[in-house]
Amino acid sequence: AQSVTQLDSHVSVSEGTPVLLRCNYSSSYSPSLFWYVQHPNKGLQLLLKYTSAATLVKGINGFEAEFKKSETSFHLTKPSAHMSDAAEYFCVVSPSGSARQLTFGSGTQLTVLP
Amino acid sequence: GAGVSQTPSNKVTEKGKYVELRCDPISGHTALYWYRQSLGQGPEFLIYFQGTGAADDSGLPNDRFFAVRPEGSVSTLKIQRTERGDSAVYLCASSLGPANNEQFFGPGTRLTVL
Repeated sequence: AQSVTQLDSHVSVSEGTPVLLRCNYSSSYSPSLFWYVQHPNKGLQLLLKYTSAATLVKGINGFEAEFKKSETSFHLTKPSAHMSDAAEYFCVVSPSGSARQLTFGSGTQLTVLP
Repeated sequence: GAGVSQTPSNKVTEKGKYVELRCDPISGHTALYWYRQSLGQGPEFLIYFQGTGAADDSGLPNDRFFAVRPEGSVSTLKIQRTERGDSAVYLCASSLGPANNEQFFGPGTRLTVL
């Protein structure tokens, strides 16, 4: 069994300040972890993925996430928010190395204030 | 190259009617997935195809929902006797195959049951 908890349903930051979106996971096997972003009226886009290689994963648009097994966390960060980062972000878990169903968190809505 | 496409983009129907939603995966992707995203929630898994066969249909909510992929490419999700609770965005995703769990999502079909 696997599950994902996104600790904040809404996060608001000012443009140019750091972003932190928190995610904890639960998995009975070695997981793959992902962050997806969903802009209004657009499809889900993969930001980054962890598949048991380096624990610090760099993604697109300056985002990165660190896999911490001891804390069962996979938090998403960005040093400096941009207005275009405003969107819904989903933390996702799946069994590692196989094409299986993805289990999504409930999402975090990121607002970027000017 | 072309991404995952879904048709129609919007579908409005009346309670009790039958609907079909279509998904065209990325060419060469053997795995295909259907998810349902209700308002304010993360996508939930419905069914996964490997080739022509449904490898995992554990997410289908009841026997009113059915999906096919007769030639291992295009898939159709079929919903009989629609109910208002079926209103959601239905997402399709595809991936290269059994050993690759990076899924690429289509834009979704927004289904509204009146």
